[in-house]
Amino acid sequence: QSALTQPASVSGSPGQSITISCTGTSSNVGAYDSVSWYQQHPGKAPKLIIFEVSNRPSGVSDRFSGSKSDNTASLTISGLQAEDEADYYCSSYTGIPTPYVFGTGTKVTVL
Amino acid sequence: EVQLVESGGGLVQPGGSLRLSCAASGFAFSNYWMMWVRQAPGKGLECVANIKGDGSWKTYVDSVKGRFTISRDNAKNSLYLQMNSLRVEDTAIYYCARDGVAHARDYWGQGTLVTVSS
Repeated sequence: QSALTQPASVSGSPGQSITISCTGTSSNVGAYDSVSWYQQHPGKAPKLIIFEVSNRPSGVSDRFSGSKSDNTASLTISGLQAEDEADYYCSSYTGIPTPYVFGTGTKVTVL
Repeated sequence: EVQLVESGGGLVQPGGSLRLSCAASGFAFSNYWMMWVRQAPGKGLECVANIKGDGSWKTYVDSVKGRFTISRDNAKNSLYLQMNSLRVEDTAIYYCARDGVAHARDYWGQGTLVTVSS
């Protein structure tokens, strides 16, 4: 399966809100609610920040929120902070035979 | 505390082999699907292979089918990736990850670097 499509970069000023889109197809994002989002700081492993479209793991800031409409999922970061500057990846379950696909990744810059 | 610790990466020539290991702790290892995810330098994430908790079901991305083999030893709480016929394009950081709630990769190791070069 082809990678999910994300914008290459998104930027915002501290305190602002930004939204990252993740566009797939009716075979992945549109078919399942198993959409997750990952934050990756330079030189670090990815970290799960959203699962099942809109749920946050324990310990993840409520400034992160997720949603989905048809074949497009979205991640919104509210009250942007310097520490949010990182790469963000979406991912969707795709069923058998290869069950997962990642997005192309989005670099978030805090101005 | 859940921990995943990878080892076994290194420099290998094209056509060579490597075996990656991932030591898991802090959870009931045999109850979870596990996977290997790789990230080429400056590139995005790619699920390479995953394996069911009891080892009875395995899947691979097309680019590694026939060359890579994922396995696990539940008695040792360990996950493995045997990589044969390595290619330059297999150069990447390889992460071990747990397939947790709602098919999300909820825990990741720190990664191990595999470099395929002559």
